[in-house]
Amino acid sequence: NAGVTQTPKFQVLKTGQSMTLQCAQDMNHNSMYWYRQDPGMGLRLIYYSASEGTTDKGEVPNGYNVSRLNKREFSLRLESAAPSQTSVYFCAADTGSSYNSPLHFGNGTRLTVT
Amino acid sequence: GQQLNQSPQSMFIQEGEDVSMNCTSSSIFNTWLWYKQDPGEGPVLLIALYKAGELTSNGRLTAQFGITRKDSFLNISASIPSDVGIYFCAGTQGAGNNRKLIWGLGTSLAVNP
Repeated sequence: NAGVTQTPKFQVLKTGQSMTLQCAQDMNHNSMYWYRQDPGMGLRLIYYSASEGTTDKGEVPNGYNVSRLNKREFSLRLESAAPSQTSVYFCAADTGSSYNSPLHFGNGTRLTVT
Repeated sequence: GQQLNQSPQSMFIQEGEDVSMNCTSSSIFNTWLWYKQDPGEGPVLLIALYKAGELTSNGRLTAQFGITRKDSFLNISASIPSDVGIYFCAGTQGAGNNRKLIWGLGTSLAVNP
């Protein structure tokens, strides 16, 4: 049972390059999320998708776009990477149906932008 | 954005000691969640609390949902080296599409064998 799977695990980009971070979940959960984690900042929500076909901005959406491709997959795109986007990115999923629905996380993508 | 006040920020203890950490807020929450993050991995849920006053255990871990709904604590008894990691609290507010998850900044735990 894989849960939430993220690819790639590591990535180095040059400023201005673009890339897409992939996330897939096999738990049949409705809601999916993208977080970034930086030292001293904790987990900050970038974008989320409450259900297939919907996406909404989180706390720090600037410089990112997302696509909820289907119920399983939720991708995060950096169109023009900047050094400030160096971070660890986590995808998460939950049922989204009620308050008692804990998040399940992937193992992260470690991105460095030079 | 709004964040929970999680303390302590870091702890360095001897194996076998008990550990206590807590999260507080000026706002009330519907649920409290405690996660642990091992190096190089994503956070993993340890304990979920759904009712004010609830006290829940998971092995050597015990967590409580404060009676005021504004705080929670996590205790680890008889610590072992594999307890090393970052512990996060999180609280939920609202429901359905208005549900928000607020995170603490984490407590980094180091255990000296």
